[in-house]
Amino acid sequence: ETGVTQTPRHLVMGMTNKKSLKCEQHLGHNAMYWYKQSAKKPLELMFVYSLEERVENNSVPSRFSPECPNSSHLFLHLHTLQPEDSALYLCASSQDGQGAREKLFFGSGTQLSVL
Amino acid sequence: RKEVEQDPGPFNVPEGATVAFNCTYSNSASQSFFWYRQDCRKEPKLLMSVYSSGNEDGRFTAQLNRASQYISLLIRDSKLSDSATYLCVVNIGGTNAGKSTFGDGTTLTVKP
Repeated sequence: ETGVTQTPRHLVMGMTNKKSLKCEQHLGHNAMYWYKQSAKKPLELMFVYSLEERVENNSVPSRFSPECPNSSHLFLHLHTLQPEDSALYLCASSQDGQGAREKLFFGSGTQLSVL
Repeated sequence: RKEVEQDPGPFNVPEGATVAFNCTYSNSASQSFFWYRQDCRKEPKLLMSVYSSGNEDGRFTAQLNRASQYISLLIRDSKLSDSATYLCVVNIGGTNAGKSTFGDGTTLTVKP
């Protein structure tokens, strides 16, 4: 059973909508991540938070806005998305994001469709 | 050249077969290596870490060859439940410790 929960599991939105993805981890970790997985492509890192500070913003368009209010919660706020943003969005956590041997624990993902 | 490259697959094998996947990485400074498993429409889950010269966990053996910059995953006595996509993951550590780079994945189907 995963210690990382994501909601919603599925989301359909129009290009003018504003929505948010939520992630919560129950593992006592200090680092949280957002990844994007498009069809036929590898996982792409979007954002990394370590101890609630953003340490990585991987050239992600500003229509994606992350928020990390504490070490257990992570949000991804979405606005004016494009159809090519349709993908599986995965949240993950790890111990502290500082060591090379960090193991990632993923949530079940949000399947996003932008119409 | 991709940072992490995997055998494209798909691999279709009968139950009981032995199958091996390869993964190459381009950055010689890479420090840590992992295999994750991803079932269809589900999240990736850690299968094995690969340290130094490799390690074994039951039917699964992972090997690391730093000189040639590749890692491999060997699955012996394949089970139907081994059907999944196997992701090779590399981390270079240091200031980029939070950046794990994923390969495209290799799809395995084990058939009765």
